[in-house]
Amino acid sequence: GAGVSQTPSNKVTEKGKYVELRCDPISGHTALYWYRQSLGQGPEFLIYFQGTGAADDSGLPNDRFFAVRPEGSVSTLKIQRTERGDSAVYLCASSPTSNNYGYTFGSGTRLTVV
Amino acid sequence: DQQVKQNSPSLSVQEGRISILNCDYTNSMFDYFLWYKKYPAEGPTFLISISSIKDKNEDGRFTVFLNKSAKHLSLHIVPSQPGDSAVYFCAASGTGNNRKLIWGLGTSLAVNP
Repeated sequence: GAGVSQTPSNKVTEKGKYVELRCDPISGHTALYWYRQSLGQGPEFLIYFQGTGAADDSGLPNDRFFAVRPEGSVSTLKIQRTERGDSAVYLCASSPTSNNYGYTFGSGTRLTVV
Repeated sequence: DQQVKQNSPSLSVQEGRISILNCDYTNSMFDYFLWYKKYPAEGPTFLISISSIKDKNEDGRFTVFLNKSAKHLSLHIVPSQPGDSAVYFCAASGTGNNRKLIWGLGTSLAVNP
């Protein structure tokens, strides 16, 4: 596709449930980033992939959060035992290389934990 | 503790006038700075960037100024247009393999016709 695609666009889940958020980057982009944005805040870094490997996962808040990118393209962010504080917009971005800071962002997945 | 600060939550200007959005940072190790624009229900869109070795970068109506000694940067939009109304985020990145961006809280710009 022409842009970064994130699905679902909205997700409502009950506290304690497991969720998966999907990101389809721009074809050929080797770098992929996950950020999350809470209301009234700027985006907060979660994890960065270069190819299939997580080059920096220092932003994952705890071990309930995990992300994979098995074939170096699509990435899935997985959240176990969701908590109300996980409610946010989860943003995915990709760039041609890790040296290009002008990421292209998707529209995000709005996660609401009730 | 906010390493990138945008102290004005909102700004309102008249169409055709200059918009000046400000950003301050605390970490002297930041070596690259970016501005993103965000419309509601969309992801941020890259606007313009500047390396720490420069003090100015211009792209059409958008100019970013960097004052390293003051740890301050600003985005100038001239002339401002109603379509520029959005939230503007300042972001910064460090050196080496650290590619993550540290973001400010954003400034909501309203350009009035």
